[in-house]
Amino acid sequence: KAGVTQTPRYLIKTRGQQVTLSCSPISGHRSVSWYQQTPGQGLQFLFEYFSETQRNKGNFPGRFSGRQFSNSRSEMNVSTLELGDSALYLCASSPDRVGQETQYFGPGTRLLVL
Amino acid sequence: AQSVAQPEDQVNVAEGNPLTVKCTYSVSGNPYLFWYVQYPNRGLQFLLKYITGDNLVKGSYGFEAEFNKSQTSFHLKKPSALVSDSALYFCAVRPRSGNTPLVFGKGTRLSVIA
Repeated sequence: KAGVTQTPRYLIKTRGQQVTLSCSPISGHRSVSWYQQTPGQGLQFLFEYFSETQRNKGNFPGRFSGRQFSNSRSEMNVSTLELGDSALYLCASSPDRVGQETQYFGPGTRLLVL
Repeated sequence: AQSVAQPEDQVNVAEGNPLTVKCTYSVSGNPYLFWYVQYPNRGLQFLLKYITGDNLVKGSYGFEAEFNKSQTSFHLKKPSALVSDSALYFCAVRPRSGNTPLVFGKGTRLSVIA
C-alpha cells in the first residue's frame, strides 16, 4: 500500500499570502490529522477530520483551516501568512477515528514564509 | 490537561551498547502510548504502541518499551544500538476517553557513535 502523500514538499511564500497544502491518506483510511512542527514548539495538533467532518481542532488562530473530501483526501489552508507560520506541516492518517488507532505520517510540507 | 515529558533533549550512546529514551506522562486513567521516530527531512515513523495487556511492548527495528503505571512512564529501549538508530524520537499519549488528540513530547535526539 502506498503511504501518506503530501504535496507540495516545499513551499516559499511571503507574508500576507495564503497557502493550501494537500494530503492523500493511505487507501482505506478515513481519518486525517494535521500537525505543525517547529523547533521551538515541537509537534502541535492542528485538526482532525473524519468522514468529511472536523472532529477536533487545536489551539490555532482562524487563519488555519482545513477540509476533507469524500475520498478522504484533505487540504489545509493558511491565510494571511506570518513569519511564524514557517514550519513543517505533517499530515497523518488512520483507519478510523483516532483513539487506539495508529496514525501514519506523511513526509510533510516544509513551508518557509519570508 | 494531558502532557508528555521527554526529560533529555539529547542522548548519546556507543554503538553496540543498550539505549534508553525516557518518557513520562500526565494523563488521567490509563492512556494509549506511542513512540515515533523521525529521520532528517522525513515524517514520523511509527515504532510501537501500548494499548493494553503485557507491559512490555515490542516494536519495529528491535525497539521495545515498558509501560510502568505507578511511575507513569513509557521508556523506549533497545538492547544494542546501531549508528542507523540516530534520529529524533517522539513519545505521544492519548487518553482512552474523550475526544482528545495525540499529544507529543518535545522529542529526544539520539546519537549513536561508532
